[in-house]
Amino acid sequence: GQQLNQSPQSMFIQEGEDVSMNCTSSSIFNTWLWYKQDPGEGPVLLIALYKAGELTSNGRLTAQFGITRKDSFLNISASIPSDVGIYFCAGQGGTSGSRLTFGEGTQLTVNP
Amino acid sequence: NAGVMQNPRHLVRRRGQEARLRCSPMKGHSHVYWYRQLPEEGLKFMVYLQKENIIDESGMPKERFSAEFPKEGPSILRIQQVVRGDSAAYFCASSQGQPANTGELFFGEGSRLTVL
Repeated sequence: GQQLNQSPQSMFIQEGEDVSMNCTSSSIFNTWLWYKQDPGEGPVLLIALYKAGELTSNGRLTAQFGITRKDSFLNISASIPSDVGIYFCAGQGGTSGSRLTFGEGTQLTVNP
Repeated sequence: NAGVMQNPRHLVRRRGQEARLRCSPMKGHSHVYWYRQLPEEGLKFMVYLQKENIIDESGMPKERFSAEFPKEGPSILRIQQVVRGDSAAYFCASSQGQPANTGELFFGEGSRLTVL
């Protein structure tokens, strides 16, 4: 089945720094999504991308859908302590049909 | 403004018992998905249902696991004769329209199953 490779696995940064994480796939997805998961909670949708090359912002978050439909990145600017959590990319469409295929996550730690 | 509601939040079972996890989708949503998450891992798709129909169960183990979404009431994920390897967080998600039109799934807070 389709797999998403998400990197880095973990990041330790200082408050105020910018963060970048990315996802790659060997196959095409029609939609890319980025979720954040806090401990003991379900994933919360941050950004959804529907068009190849699309660049979308949501506050301090910016995400882009790669031209080839096989990759995406998420940037967080001026990180704050509440950004701590696990960030997951997810792809939908292509051979996976309607279901989401998730990456393994990036654990973000922000030191005040 | 209720989101996706899952219960129980935590469930402890002994090996061989049955576990039933319930999910009520967001109001107006008729598409339900179940995902499983092992510690330190991402979410793995299990099954996709619409009212009274299983659309895609390609992620479900062939034995002991079943899911339903009846005309009335919540979706149920049922695990029979649980084993320790079934210990995980089980997440339900719902969406409003056809997945081709929107990838925006909204997740519940999960049900954490512990098998002793």
